[in-house]
Amino acid sequence: KNQVEQSPQSLIILEGKNCTLQCNYTVSPFSNLRWYKQDTGRGPVSLTIMTFSENTKSNGRYTATLDADTKQSSLHITASQLSDSASYICVVGKMYSGGGADGLTFGKGTHLIIQP
Amino acid sequence: DGGITQSPKYLFRKEGQNVTLSCEQNLNHDAMYWYRQDPGQGLRLIYYSQIVNDFQKGDIAEGYSVSREKKESFPLTVTSAQKNPTAFYLCASSIWGAREETQYFGPGTRLLVL
Repeated sequence: KNQVEQSPQSLIILEGKNCTLQCNYTVSPFSNLRWYKQDTGRGPVSLTIMTFSENTKSNGRYTATLDADTKQSSLHITASQLSDSASYICVVGKMYSGGGADGLTFGKGTHLIIQP
Repeated sequence: DGGITQSPKYLFRKEGQNVTLSCEQNLNHDAMYWYRQDPGQGLRLIYYSQIVNDFQKGDIAEGYSVSREKKESFPLTVTSAQKNPTAFYLCASSIWGAREETQYFGPGTRLLVL
């Protein structure tokens, strides 16, 4: 069964600190992994997308890593800001012929709170 | 939120009533999608469309219907057959196939049952 597990479920850190969110998956055959940020009551916004051959990708203070051998990914946030408070969703794409959306598996997200 | 708009932001449904959620995009994307988000759960795919006049069921299509008469528009109807419609509904689009490409999401519609 294709699954995406994220940890921790929630996290509280002080402004200015770094943090790392985890994503483990069982999706096979693997196509790509993406991280989204979702503010409360809003739609998700893409942060990074990585294919099998990529093991790291950055977007400003956000850095995602991928280990396709162990089927693990992490999202590292540097020098956190109050605006980083949001849910972070890991999504894994399954390789198929064609391009439909039925091959995407969404994690439940990690709820991150940045305290001043 | 990019070039995707959803309306209304909040929608109330009475028992036995059908309601339609609007989704419009000006990104010239071929593919559009509807997801449902419930508290503590990952997004679940309701329907998707890769081309005008064609659409496919997702994982939880029962009680929902869609149409794709124009490239820019992909409305979702929540029918009276959907017994638990209270949720946050998200529309998304991508250039072509979502498996290899980034999806762009709208701001969402929250549906509540009276």
